[in-house]
Amino acid sequence: GEDVEQSLFLSVREGDSSVINCTYTDSSSTYLYWYKQEPGAGLQLLTYIFSNMDMKQDQRLTVLLNKKDKHLSLRIADTQTGDSAIYFCAETLPGTASKLTFGTGTRLQVTL
Amino acid sequence: ETGVTQSPTHLIKTRGQQVTLRCSSQSGHNTVSWYQQALGQGPQFIFQYYREEENGRGNFPPRFSGLQFPNYSSELNVNALELDDSALYLCASTAGTGTGELFFGEGSRLTVL
Repeated sequence: GEDVEQSLFLSVREGDSSVINCTYTDSSSTYLYWYKQEPGAGLQLLTYIFSNMDMKQDQRLTVLLNKKDKHLSLRIADTQTGDSAIYFCAETLPGTASKLTFGTGTRLQVTL
Repeated sequence: ETGVTQSPTHLIKTRGQQVTLRCSSQSGHNTVSWYQQALGQGPQFIFQYYREEENGRGNFPPRFSGLQFPNYSSELNVNALELDDSALYLCASTAGTGTGELFFGEGSRLTVL
């Protein structure tokens, strides 16, 4: 079955790098995503990676995918206070592109 | 290009009542999906609509139903409301390119008393 797990909380200092981790159980995942949710708001798609890729970089964001260990990570370089939010990883399976299975979210707190 | 818009933003209902939530998809997007996000949890997939037909459903009872209209806008209806239905209901649209790039609205926060 599908199950996506994340740690609940991460605190970093402004300017440092943040690394948010996620594990998933279904090896047939096709796409894996990172979404950001600010208080009282909807979800903002940050980036996604196709399952046959190992890494994707997009400005300050780096996604690493280890398919063998079913582990996904999101690195945010030069973390800013505006990055404080809840980050969700999510996966889809073949043929179910709009059905995302989300983790419980990691709350990122950026301190000065 | 307009994004996904949802209404109402907040509403309060009592147990046993019925509620209708509305969603306008992003321009050019023909697929709409609905998610329920309980407090402190990740969103849970309710169902998806494509070309006015339900095209995939999560683990939700039949009292959760929906519609999609020719302009791709959508409604989520919940009958016989229960206290556990209190949540943020998120609508998402996609162009159906297969990458699953969902664009979410701000959500409708439902409180059931």
